[in-house]
Amino acid sequence: QQQVKQSPQSLIVQKGGISIINCAYENTAFDYFPWYQQFPGKGPALLIAIRPDVSEKKEGRFTISFNKSAKQFSLHIMDSQPGDSATYFCAATPADRGSTLGRLYFGRGTQLTVWP
Amino acid sequence: KAGVTQTPRYLIKTRGQQVTLSCSPISGHRSVSWYQQTPGQGLQFLFEYFSETQRNKGNFPGRFSGRQFSNSRSEMNVSTLELGDSALYLCASSREGQPHGSGANVLTFGAGSRLTVL
Repeated sequence: QQQVKQSPQSLIVQKGGISIINCAYENTAFDYFPWYQQFPGKGPALLIAIRPDVSEKKEGRFTISFNKSAKQFSLHIMDSQPGDSATYFCAATPADRGSTLGRLYFGRGTQLTVWP
Repeated sequence: KAGVTQTPRYLIKTRGQQVTLSCSPISGHRSVSWYQQTPGQGLQFLFEYFSETQRNKGNFPGRFSGRQFSNSRSEMNVSTLELGDSALYLCASSREGQPHGSGANVLTFGAGSRLTVL
């Protein structure tokens, strides 16, 4: 059972456009929602993360929007660039202060292609 | 600062064999987690180790095992390999004891070990 559902599976965007990737979850115990970016031949790398006490977090061209009541969150990439072409994974982990983030529940991933 | 190092990067095995993968975490990181990545299932959690103890285990058969050494380095072993075990095996490390989202407790992945079972 996929605890975090991610869409779309693939996304093609023109350079300068906005890329939007959506995720949904059911487990209300989740309280930390990171996004990871993975390039071919590399491991996933943390891009940006949010906690449910805020509705939006922005870091440069990357913004997470969070809707706690709908149990949905999304990644927006503004002014998308060819260098953003990668696979993006949303993830979630339950509240457990003092423990590690060792166990993340990942979405299936979105392969983003940005055309020049 | 060195990242998470996984060896070997690529390996080919045949059905029925066993394989051992190694992971060296970031210096100072005491928690090591392992994930299996496949096109069909995505990233699936295998297990997590801290202070040489397995603290969390995913839904994988007993053929998948791991251990952690006193220097935090970790190994995972897959016995009696099956074709479906072909995957990218990722190791990630994190520091212990920080609240979620503090910035200090971030899961950092290695580049992975790509296993092909023939």
